[in-house]
Parts: sequence; structure tokens; C-alpha cells
Amino acid sequence: GAGVSQSPRYKVAKRGQDVALRCDPISGHVSLFWYQQALGQGPEFLTYFQNEAQLDKSGLPSDRFFAERPEGSVSTLKIQRTQQEDSAVYLCASSLQPGTSGLTDTQYFGPGTRLTVL
Amino acid sequence: GDSVTQMEGPVTLSEEACLTINCTYTATGYPSLFWYVQYPGEGLQLLLKATKADDKGSNKGFEATYRKETTSFHLEKGSVQVSDSAVYFCALRRYSSASKIIFGSGTRLSIRP
Repeated sequence: GAGVSQSPRYKVAKRGQDVALRCDPISGHVSLFWYQQALGQGPEFLTYFQNEAQLDKSGLPSDRFFAERPEGSVSTLKIQRTQQEDSAVYLCASSLQPGTSGLTDTQYFGPGTRLTVL
Repeated sequence: GDSVTQMEGPVTLSEEACLTINCTYTATGYPSLFWYVQYPGEGLQLLLKATKADDKGSNKGFEATYRKETTSFHLEKGSVQVSDSAVYFCALRRYSSASKIIFGSGTRLSIRP
């Protein structure tokens, strides 16, 4: 069956440009997560949605980062006025259950979008 | 805060060698513990998990035991194959509104034929 998909797979932006990264979760999955993975590091949590509600955005590094999931399925991570330190792979994950009951629920990851800011 | 510390890589082994990748964690309460694997050119995949103390997770010949007394979750395999070459991430997930995953920095494993 279809897994989590992300687009674009690669994005090159000039410093100061805005970018939008898309995530299509597995159909029917309630929870959606965004992570940022810097080169040579493990993924770091950015934000969490339960359906359309953004319940945790504690990991967003600055107010230049904004995420939405307006209809409770597809999500978009937007980065305004990109900086070189934003260069990373952005991973999206989804899971079937809500976060509060999802301690053992598997998170399925997409292939990621590699963002390079020049 | 919660954190995961794992063995730094890269680790290079010959085929059929024994593997151990060390992982220790710091967390309040009783988190669930995971090993994720990232094969070249592919996304993160769950390899195995354990949800309470003394649980053993296993998959594809890999095993890890949740040791509360030493706060560890070491990954082991008795005989590695070339196809096991990948980056391995130890991770934890604690009960919270988001149940977000906290990852270690990853260990790159290369297996020589």
C-alpha cells in the first residue's frame, strides 16, 4: 500500500527565499509529525498534528517556520526567508493513533525533502 | 530533558561478524524504546521496539533488550550481512500529548564482504 510521500524530494533555495514542503500521510492516519535532520545527526522533532489541530509546535526553531494541516490529511511545512542553517532533510511521519494513545503506535516515515539553502 | 546517546560510528565489520551498537537513554518515567534503520537512499524504518523493562525487541536477526537498571537498549546481531549496511538510530518515546520520538545521532554501519 502507499506509504508516506513527500515533495519535492530535493529543493535548492537562495537565502531569503520562502519554501513550502508537502507531506501526504498514510490515508486515515490521525497523527502527523515533522522532523528536521541535519547532516550526520538524528532527526529532531519540529511539530505535531492530531487531525487538523496543531497540538505541539515546541520544536519549531523560529517564527520563520510554519506548518499547517487544514483538512486533517496533507500537511505543508513553510519556511520563510530561508537561512543557510535551515539546510537539512525534513522528514514527515504519520501514525494511526492520536499521540496520547500512541506510545506503542508505529510512526511511518516518508523519504524526506532535502533542502539546501545557498 | 530526555535524551539518547549512542555509539559513535562509523563501524566497519566483516560479513558474519558479531555486532553490538551501544545505546543509553535519559528520560523521566518509562519510555518506549526503538531502533530505526536508514538504508542508503531510503527513508527511516522501524527495526524493532520494546515498551517496558526487560522486554526484548527482535527483527531480521537483530535484538535489543530494554534494561531499566542500566538505562540501556543495545542493538545486537550474531552474524551481520552486507545488506545490513545502513545508519542505525536508537530512539525513545515518552508518554505526552505528542508522543514525539527523540533520536540519537545515529551509527553508520558498513559490512565488508
